[in-house]
Amino acid sequence: NAGVTQTPKFRILKIGQSMTLQCAQDMNHNYMYWYRQDPGMGLKLIYYSVGAGITDKGEVPNGYNVSRSTTEDFPLRLELAAPSQTSVYFCASSYLAADEETQYFGPGTRLLVL
Amino acid sequence: GENVEQHPSTLSVQEGDSAVIKCTYSDSASNYFPWYKQELGKRPQLIIDIRSNVGEKKDQRIAVTLNKTAKHFSLHITETQPEDSAVYFCAASRGSYIPTFGRGTSLIVHP
Repeated sequence: NAGVTQTPKFRILKIGQSMTLQCAQDMNHNYMYWYRQDPGMGLKLIYYSVGAGITDKGEVPNGYNVSRSTTEDFPLRLELAAPSQTSVYFCASSYLAADEETQYFGPGTRLLVL
Repeated sequence: GENVEQHPSTLSVQEGDSAVIKCTYSDSASNYFPWYKQELGKRPQLIIDIRSNVGEKKDQRIAVTLNKTAKHFSLHITETQPEDSAVYFCAASRGSYIPTFGRGTSLIVHP
């Protein structure tokens, strides 16, 4: 299994540009998450999904959008990029059932908005 | 909702010493408490977890203890080594609810 994969690894955006961060998992997990991690800080939840077709806002959803059309994929869309969105973005997945709550994280996408 | 507080934010120890990181949680229904380790530039990865029906769990040099009455749990690392230097996150969750993370502890082990 590849686990959780993310693309791209690194991206530089200009202010006002848009982009989509890709995330995929091959573990048949029902829950998927997007976090951002600013330098020296903790993980802040942006959006999450409990299954295909179902998404919900986390702690810091403004400026982002998500969709979940399949179990495997959970892309994060940035519209009108701003310098405040400079961060490392982690996608994660888990299978929330009895005894199966461990989150598996992707390698991250480093985003720089200039 | 759940609230998880983690202390200290930074912990500096000498190689061979023990390190203890503490977390408190607010929701008495939480029943799963994982600890994640994040090395510099890497992704967070699970190192140990504990469920509410267990008071202590060990895995070589790391252990986690849980006090349900006081609603706190701790990570213990013995005989610390430089490769233990990382950021450690605790979390709390229950059932189908998404987990709540602590803010992280930066552990520095000096050779």
